[in-house]
Amino acid sequence: ETGVTQTPRHLVMGMTNKKSLKCEQHLGHNAMYWYKQSAKKPLELMFVYNFKEQTENNSVPSRFSPECPNSSHLFLHLHTLQPEDSALYLCASSQDLAAGGNEQYFGPGTRLTVT
Amino acid sequence: DQQVKQNSPSLSVQEGRISILNCDYTNSMFDYFLWYKKYPAEGPTFLISISSIKDKNEDGRFTVFLNKSAKHLSLHIVPSQPGDSAVYFCAASGKTGANNLFFGTGTRLTVIP
Repeated sequence: ETGVTQTPRHLVMGMTNKKSLKCEQHLGHNAMYWYKQSAKKPLELMFVYNFKEQTENNSVPSRFSPECPNSSHLFLHLHTLQPEDSALYLCASSQDLAAGGNEQYFGPGTRLTVT
Repeated sequence: DQQVKQNSPSLSVQEGRISILNCDYTNSMFDYFLWYKKYPAEGPTFLISISSIKDKNEDGRFTVFLNKSAKHLSLHIVPSQPGDSAVYFCAASGKTGANNLFFGTGTRLTVIP
């Protein structure tokens, strides 16, 4: 596997379910990100991890819980979601959090539908 | 309020001609700008970037122009090829919170053979 991979690619879950999204990067990067892309809206940054430490939480509801066990893996745990949480969830990584030149590499995303 | 705007949701261009994609931003603290390209069922891929100390950056068929006074940047693709058909996102970041990229909503480019 190369680049950034995400599983599952598609997920349908009920509002009372608990599920997790997984992201893995094979680029030797130190920073990882979760983004949400809703229809006709720009990508919204949710969480940032740098060297496994969370550095940013963009006012994300607690029903989204990130976990970064090491620099290569990032999880997004989901519980009691709402239908408006249906979106494309993208994971990205970058070498670090250097100012400027922050070229992030994205995974293919998980298309989440909450019923 | 969106800090990065792409006001054209779509653009169609004949193969071989120039494609010009536009992006406007509101935050004067942004100092680094990027363009990403996205094919269906794939994540965005980095295309080209420009620092605020420059007004032009060229990479093969792709050139990005930055007009800081107008808070405007554009991506030129010449000559356009059918494989360039994709959604193009403009993004910006600043010195503070540099890890935070602000994205536009994207422009869907269709290059007609």
